[in-house]
Amino acid sequence: VQLVQSGAEVKKPGESLKISCKSSGYTFTTYWVGWVRQMPGKGLELLGSIYPGASDTRYSPSFQGQVTISVEKSNNTAYLHWGSLRASDTAMYYCARHFVYGDYQSAFDIWGQGTMVTVSA
Amino acid sequence: EIVLTQSPATLSLSPGERATLSCGASQSVSSSYLAWYQQKPGLAPRLLIYDASSRATGVPERFSGSGSGTDFSLTISRLEPEDFAVYYCHQYGSSPQTFGQGTKLEIK
Repeated sequence: VQLVQSGAEVKKPGESLKISCKSSGYTFTTYWVGWVRQMPGKGLELLGSIYPGASDTRYSPSFQGQVTISVEKSNNTAYLHWGSLRASDTAMYYCARHFVYGDYQSAFDIWGQGTMVTVSA
Repeated sequence: EIVLTQSPATLSLSPGERATLSCGASQSVSSSYLAWYQQKPGLAPRLLIYDASSRATGVPERFSGSGSGTDFSLTISRLEPEDFAVYYCHQYGSSPQTFGQGTKLEIK
């Protein structure tokens, strides 16, 4: 069971970006997947989570409208998308699986390796 | 939104000692839906404890969690060199799910 994320990105303010998280070793559509931000030297923040089986998505209020979480079921992949990046989006982004079958209210047991996003003019 | 406050911010101990980390919630955490994670530099977090007191698969017995309502703790009975890291609590009982700011456990 693993989540493998796409590689590091360097972007300019105002550019768009989509990063990916590919799952393997389990049935992708039956577990919620979340995205977690870690700004340099700081703690963890949940951006939101998605249930791939129904594309049901829950966003944390601070990130609603700032990012879009989606999935491609045929490819067992979750995505995190920005329409217009800001310097303050510079951070490490992790995807992680909620470990109880079909339950959003559960801890994260499997984590991706992280994708570093740097936004700088 | 439930705010989780971890204390202390930094804990300096020696290998072999006992460590107790605290996580206080601004409101009661539903069903004791609280987890603890360990994060080492350059790595993703690792799940240690879920549902306040259940040890995740493969986690050594020296790690234990306790608490309910608004007060939770993580105890490491005898510190090993590999235990020095940053620890986060996470509540998943109420939306939005939130994390504490972390406790850094450092070698004294």
